[in-house]
Amino acid sequence: NAGVTQTPKFQVLKTGQSMTLQCAQDMNHEYMSWYRQDPGMGLRLIHYSVGAGITDQGEVPNGYNVSRSTTEDFPLRLLSAAPSQTSVYFCASRLAEISYNEQFFGPGTRLTVL
Amino acid sequence: GQQVMQIPQYQHVQEGEDFTTYCNSSTTLSNIQWYKQRPGGHPVFLIQLVKSGEVKKQKRLTFQFGEAKKNSSLHITATQTTDVGTYFCAGPRGGKLIFGQGTELSVKP
Repeated sequence: NAGVTQTPKFQVLKTGQSMTLQCAQDMNHEYMSWYRQDPGMGLRLIHYSVGAGITDQGEVPNGYNVSRSTTEDFPLRLLSAAPSQTSVYFCASRLAEISYNEQFFGPGTRLTVL
Repeated sequence: GQQVMQIPQYQHVQEGEDFTTYCNSSTTLSNIQWYKQRPGGHPVFLIQLVKSGEVKKQKRLTFQFGEAKKNSSLHITATQTTDVGTYFCAGPRGGKLIFGQGTELSVKP
């Protein structure tokens, strides 16, 4: 199993550009989520999905869109990049919505917005 | 909403010294999880605590869950350079997993 994979590893954008961060998992996990990590802020939840076709907002959803058309994939879209979105983005998955499950993280995407 | 606060934010220790990080929630938690993130890496699950007053050990690491299930701690005995990284606690809020700010541990050989 590859676990949780993310592409790209690094990305530089100009303000106003859009892009999609890709996330895939091969563990047949129902629950997937996106976090951003900023110094001193820990991991903040952007969006999450409890299963294919179902998504919901996390703590910091503004400026981001998600969709979940398959169990495996959970892409994160930046609609119009802003410097405040410079961060490290982690995708994570766990077996199900129930909280008593270990969460697996992808390797992260390091995004810089100029 | 529920917050998960973690202290200290940074801890610098000499190799061989002990280290403790504390996690506090504004509400009672059904469980708490701990993760470790090595520099440049991604968070990796360490352990989950479920029962009030629970204590679990992993070699030199000791995890505790408070009696009121609102606080937790991670204690490392005799730190080694391999312990370097950021340690996060995380608690559930609905179906979401909310993380504390993390404690960054550096170990001087």
